[in-house]
Amino acid sequence: DSGVTQTPKHLITATGQRVTLRCSPRSGDLSVYWYQQSLDQGLQFLIQYYNGEERAKGNILERFSAQQFPDLHSELNLSSLELGDSALYFCASSKTGGPAEAFFGQGTRLTVV
Amino acid sequence: AQSVTQLDSHVSVSEGTPVLLRCNYSSSYSPSLFWYVQHPNKGLQLLLKYTSAATLVKGINGFEAEFKKSETSFHLTKPSAHMSDAAEYFCVVSDPSGTYKYIFGTGTRLKVLA
Repeated sequence: DSGVTQTPKHLITATGQRVTLRCSPRSGDLSVYWYQQSLDQGLQFLIQYYNGEERAKGNILERFSAQQFPDLHSELNLSSLELGDSALYFCASSKTGGPAEAFFGQGTRLTVV
Repeated sequence: AQSVTQLDSHVSVSEGTPVLLRCNYSSSYSPSLFWYVQHPNKGLQLLLKYTSAATLVKGINGFEAEFKKSETSFHLTKPSAHMSDAAEYFCVVSDPSGTYKYIFGTGTRLKVLA
């Protein structure tokens, strides 16, 4: 158990809908990362937050947004969902924004039908 | 820009034989490098990390990796494969350009034959 909790584990929704994925980092970790894993794109970095502020953006679509709350949990919002958004979404956390190892949650498997 | 290349998408070994998973990196800076393992329907687990200390890094479950700057490589090895090692392995470089976000290789799927 990495200490990073992601909910829900599985999500099935229809095209055009909006969903929210939740991540609770390990106790004491200030940095949260979101990744998308799909068969054709592999593991892609989406966005990073550090202590409530956005630190870096990767290949995140405009339909997607995220935030980190004062208690350091983070949410990834995906809207106007398309079939191609079906993927495994991972959250990871680390103590700092520096090169410490990141601990990954079990992921949320999103299926868009 | 930082990048990693995993040279083999699939590797098959027999149980009890050595494992070699190859990774080359590209980095303008002194990199931090990691190997993660992902078992089917599971999250990513850290195997080992290199952060500019000893060049031979020992990890969990008998895995180790050697950082070779001259070859820009960070290959993962294990002397004797076990059936439970069957999984996907990712080589990762940490981008030190202010964000330290992880950049993943495309993964190597390890198959262990009985």
